[in-house]
Amino acid sequence: EPEVTQTPSHQVTQMGQEVILRCVPISNHLYFYWYRQILGQKVEFLVSFYNNEISEKSEIFDDQFSVERPDGSNFTLKIRSTKLEDSAMYFCASNLRTNEKLFFGSGTQLSVL
Amino acid sequence: ELKVEQNPLFLSMQEGKNYTIYCNYSTTSDRLYWYRQDPGKSLESLFVLLSNGAVKQEGRLMASLDTKARLSTLHITAAVHDLSATYFCAVALTGTASKLTFGTGTRLQVTL
Repeated sequence: EPEVTQTPSHQVTQMGQEVILRCVPISNHLYFYWYRQILGQKVEFLVSFYNNEISEKSEIFDDQFSVERPDGSNFTLKIRSTKLEDSAMYFCASNLRTNEKLFFGSGTQLSVL
Repeated sequence: ELKVEQNPLFLSMQEGKNYTIYCNYSTTSDRLYWYRQDPGKSLESLFVLLSNGAVKQEGRLMASLDTKARLSTLHITAAVHDLSATYFCAVALTGTASKLTFGTGTRLQVTL
């Protein structure tokens, strides 16, 4: 079965540094998302992306965050200047239509020191 | 603001028993999802419920949706140890793409 892949699986960074989390969504999917989950807490929506632009974003997704689809396969999340509270598991997801299930990647565990 | 509440938050049950997890949400929605998460792992999609009265079943799990009551249930029949995981419901507001609001999760532990 096709799957969403994310790299790296773990990322450790110093506060104030920039990080880029990478995702390869399922190839024929059109909608792409980033969610995050702080340890032991619920999953939170960050942003959705369709037709090369952001379609929705949450309050968490402030000016420090950006997303990009630089080519036909990758989907990236950039955090410009990381904070301690950005430490979380970041999940990429995709689907073909908005009323279908989201396929989630295995996540990137980001630790900001 | 959409709020999604699940109960119970933690459920310990014996193998062979039946139980139901409840998911309540606060405003009109046209899509409700159930996901399973094993510790340290990603989210596995279980069900997508799109209309009032929708019922879906897969193995020992059955999900239903009552949009008028703003309630979804996940029923477990004759639980087995392999079902031990955290189960999340997630709701999309009517008119939004797939901005899902997740519930707090129900941690299910099935004991032998």
